[in-house]
Amino acid sequence: DGGITQSPKYLFRKEGQNVTLSCEQNLNHDAMYWYRQDPGQGLRLIYYSQIVNDFQKGDIAEGYSVSREKKESFPLTVTSAQKNPTAFYLCASSIKANQPQHFGDGTRLSIL
Amino acid sequence: RKEVEQDPGPFNVPEGATVAFNCTYSNSASQSFFWYRQDCRKEPKLLMSVYSSGNEDGRFTAQLNRASQYISLLIRDSKLSDSATYLCVVNRPPAAGNKLTFGGGTRVLVKP
Repeated sequence: DGGITQSPKYLFRKEGQNVTLSCEQNLNHDAMYWYRQDPGQGLRLIYYSQIVNDFQKGDIAEGYSVSREKKESFPLTVTSAQKNPTAFYLCASSIKANQPQHFGDGTRLSIL
Repeated sequence: RKEVEQDPGPFNVPEGATVAFNCTYSNSASQSFFWYRQDCRKEPKLLMSVYSSGNEDGRFTAQLNRASQYISLLIRDSKLSDSATYLCVVNRPPAAGNKLTFGGGTRVLVKP
């Protein structure tokens, strides 16, 4: 089945630690995105990539980093510089920018 | 003014009733519009695209009003399973980043 796979489903971070969230898609989509959602809030764009080896900052990129070395993969690293990382992280992909996005089932990140 | 604004609700709807709600957007050059549905603690899922002429999918009808810069979603014969948060999504034109912007969502609660 084609789709987007995020892992892990739950993740706990210690103070001062970097953690990496995985996002893989087999839909052959060019564009991939990372969003953060806080309880009762909307989605906020962290980073996006419209093509391999290229990515742009979204609205809340500080404290996060990404890479796009392969079309299928768009991992997100939450660095120790992100002081309030507890949230629901969603990865999405679309055929091209401005096309409907398809989401993975998310990673819940908490602070230990 | 936010790029995409929605009434957060909740809209409390008796089962079988009709409910409608709007979403306003600020960029008059936007061209792509979508409605997504998000269940509690789940990922958003595409409900329907919104076309200039309006479109219908079963009990759901979406309309676009370019003059007043809003889109609407109407749900007829509401079911208990329609309880969810409905996210309005609008594109930013290429000059503004060429990506989708999500509204904060409208919560709908269908009650027996």
